[in-house]
Amino acid sequence: SQKIEQNSEALNIQEGKTATLTCNYTNYSPAYLQWYRQDPGRGPVFLLLIRENEKEKRKERLKVTFDTTLKQSLFHITASQPADSATYLCALDPRSQKVTFGTGTKLQVIP
Amino acid sequence: DTGVSQDPRHKITKRGQNVTFRCDPISEHNRLYWYRQTLGQGPEFLTYFQNEAQLEKSRLLSDRFSAERPKGSFSTLEIQRTEQGDSAMYLCASSLADRAKGYTFGSGTRLTVV
Repeated sequence: SQKIEQNSEALNIQEGKTATLTCNYTNYSPAYLQWYRQDPGRGPVFLLLIRENEKEKRKERLKVTFDTTLKQSLFHITASQPADSATYLCALDPRSQKVTFGTGTKLQVIP
Repeated sequence: DTGVSQDPRHKITKRGQNVTFRCDPISEHNRLYWYRQTLGQGPEFLTYFQNEAQLEKSRLLSDRFSAERPKGSFSTLEIQRTEQGDSAMYLCASSLADRAKGYTFGSGTRLTVV
């Protein structure tokens, strides 16, 4: 069956360090992979999209990699700040109109 | 444009009652989605509209759930005969055909069935 796995345990890192979040998937062939940020009680906010033929995408302090052979995406936040503390969701878009979300990883940046 | 609006933000209802939620998408977005999210889980797809046509509906959506998007503008999601298991955050999102900008979500409607 189709499965998207994100670290279910919270990730705690020191301010200024690079946070790396992982998204693994099975039985999918996504055309796109998206990353969202979600704060408590709010809807997800779109951050980045990477296409299946792209290896890496950057936006300011964010970097996303996409390895369709390993079926994995890594999401990096460099020079992390306490304001980056949130839950980060990866979402797979397999060319259909239905984007499927992972369960998210909670990131806590400690001052 | 102020983004995707959802109303109400919170709804408490008694088991067995019907509830209706409204979503106003970004005006130039022709695609509208409904998702449901429970604590500690990611958003779960419910249904999708392109303009006024409902093009996909999750098999998880029971017959008690119905969604409409008259005239391709705002959308409503109705749950009939609510059950405690329906308690969740109901999220609406809209998008353009171009995937590059992802989905824009509303703040959601939190439903509590007592």
